[in-house]
Amino acid sequence: SQTIHQWPATLVQPVGSPLSLECTVEGTSNPNLYWYRQAAGRGLQLLFYSIGIGQISSEVPQNLSASRPQDRQFILSSKKLLLSDSGFYLCAWSGDRGVNTEAFFGQGTRLTVV
Amino acid sequence: AQSVTQPDIHITVSEGASLELRCNYSYGATPYLFWYVQSPGQGLQLLLKYFSGDTLVQGIKGFEAEFKRSQSSFNLRKPSVHWSDAAEYFCAVGDSGGSNYKLTFGKGTLLTVNP
Repeated sequence: SQTIHQWPATLVQPVGSPLSLECTVEGTSNPNLYWYRQAAGRGLQLLFYSIGIGQISSEVPQNLSASRPQDRQFILSSKKLLLSDSGFYLCAWSGDRGVNTEAFFGQGTRLTVV
Repeated sequence: AQSVTQPDIHITVSEGASLELRCNYSYGATPYLFWYVQSPGQGLQLLLKYFSGDTLVQGIKGFEAEFKRSQSSFNLRKPSVHWSDAAEYFCAVGDSGGSNYKLTFGKGTLLTVNP
């Protein structure tokens, strides 16, 4: 069966520090991968999605970047965190492009920038 | 661009009462529609989905939803709410026509269940 792992679960980082959140998927190949951010009362905002290794689409210009170094690995990064980067970050995967299946979510990372 | 509106930010119901959560979408073609549930501090779990066919879909935990094209709606229902249903609920629409598939979510409805 397919599983998705996201870590860390919580993170407190000072302003200006770097960020690296990692997400891996097991039990499937060539998944579509997504990073969402969730702020209270604002639903889920799609930040990045990827349909393959090295292929990243950015939905919202901001202080963050994403990379996909391996088929089932998706990394969210920042060189210098801002206070506004605080939030709940969710990684998700779905089936191959062209197969419109639902997305499966990780347990999320609560990021607090202080 | 596709969009989803959940008009109710917060709903409170008594345990055992019926429930309906509203969802309206905007999309140019036949949409793929989803309802997810999120417990505090957790990821999202799929309740049900609609791709095509029967417009009344059944999901897990006794939930169902009805797709109404004329109203651009996909409301979630449950005949009798349990205290464990207290959570936040998200409606989402999937891009069925493009080459890159992505989900757009509504802002969520927080459900409180009174004993």
